[in-house]
Amino acid sequence: QVQLQESGPGLVKPSETLSLTCTVSGYSISSGYYWGWIREPPGKGLEWIGSVHHSGSTYYKPSLRSRVTISLDTSKNQFSLNLSSVTVADTAVYYCARSVDLYYYMDVWGKGTTVIVSS
Amino acid sequence: DIVMTQSPDSLVVSLGERATINCKSSQTVLYSSNNKNYLAWYQQKAGQPPKVLIYWASTRESGVPDRFSGSGSGTDFTLTISSLQAEDVAVYYCQQYYETPYSFGQGTKLEIK
Repeated sequence: QVQLQESGPGLVKPSETLSLTCTVSGYSISSGYYWGWIREPPGKGLEWIGSVHHSGSTYYKPSLRSRVTISLDTSKNQFSLNLSSVTVADTAVYYCARSVDLYYYMDVWGKGTTVIVSS
Repeated sequence: DIVMTQSPDSLVVSLGERATINCKSSQTVLYSSNNKNYLAWYQQKAGQPPKVLIYWASTRESGVPDRFSGSGSGTDFTLTISSLQAEDVAVYYCQQYYETPYSFGQGTKLEIK
């Protein structure tokens, strides 16, 4: 059974870089699938940030592309999110999730981690 | 980008009654070459991550009770809960995966009367 778990700092200062890691268990991320990040700002809905293919190809939301990097660490069976130059608007619960194909729903989700941007 | 709009924003339904949530996409999510609608429904209970209920607009995920059903095609979709149970209190989202960037509806909050 595939499980995903987010980890990273819960507090980030404005203008700094938010860095999160998603650890995958029960499946080798180098074997296949797409691995993505979604966030949920307080009181708002879900926003897809981007995804990475097991080959390393990446797909980002255009409005975030200039600040986002998603990458794989197959040796640790993890993938990560870096979001630079954060502002209070980046405060959210961040989820990692899996989809079987690029044009596919997200069938496995992590429990989420809260990141607050504040000085 | 495809904009997903749900209605209503909130819904209050009595136990055992039917609940209906609508979702409209700003352009079609029906891929003509395979006749599949790239539309999913998720349930998010308080403090939990979203859980997929329905995909390809009408296919129920394994383990999801059959009181949940999805319908629609092209740009207009519906999630129906045939007989509301207490454990169905949640926020429900539709999502298109027809193209990137994926997009979600704003969510519909379902409560018990």
